[in-house]
Amino acid sequence: SQQGEEDPQALSIQEGENATMNCSYKTSINNLQWYRQNSGRGLVHLILIRSNEREKHSGRLRVTLDTSKKSSSLLITASRAADTASYFCATDGGTGGGNKLTFGTGTQLKVEL
Amino acid sequence: DAGITQSPRYKITETGRQVTLMCHQTWSHSYMFWYRQDLGHGLRLIYYSAAADITDKGEVPDGYVVSRSKTENFPLTLESATRSQTSVYFCASSSRDRSYNEQFFGPGTRLTVL
Repeated sequence: SQQGEEDPQALSIQEGENATMNCSYKTSINNLQWYRQNSGRGLVHLILIRSNEREKHSGRLRVTLDTSKKSSSLLITASRAADTASYFCATDGGTGGGNKLTFGTGTQLKVEL
Repeated sequence: DAGITQSPRYKITETGRQVTLMCHQTWSHSYMFWYRQDLGHGLRLIYYSAAADITDKGEVPDGYVVSRSKTENFPLTLESATRSQTSVYFCASSSRDRSYNEQFFGPGTRLTVL
């Protein structure tokens, strides 16, 4: 399986701090995506980074991608209590992967007041 | 309403019964997917569909059947439910554009098999 794995599995921080989550994957990719899941809800797409990109920003989110190490990181700056959620990375299957995504097991982030 | 919807949101059934979970999207997306989410396993792909009348197996297809007669609907059937199929099921869709294959998820169906 090319399932990604997030690290850490759980993370607890104080409001205002930065949160960093890492993702490792096994095979070649066209792009890597990050999703957020609030408790009891479906996943919501956050950001996509293509295999030829090294860094991407969206608001308080910063994603990096290192294809040589098959790893990505998601940084959430100035975290808020509303950022409390599970975060998943997802990879496509590269050239022959079609539109399928393989999701990691997720990082549970808790932001405390 | 625009978007992707799932029904029912909650379902309790008994072992051996047939159950159908419904998924409907209003974007005319080509691709639709069914996942199950279990603790410790993340999301696992059950079946997916690239277009109407085209379906294919994912990672964990055993015990499930899908059909896609219309682009907007992608029902998932458990022909004879087992306790191991107790899970939260998510439907998702995405456009044909592989350069940006973001998936849009429904709210999920929590299924309990007794």
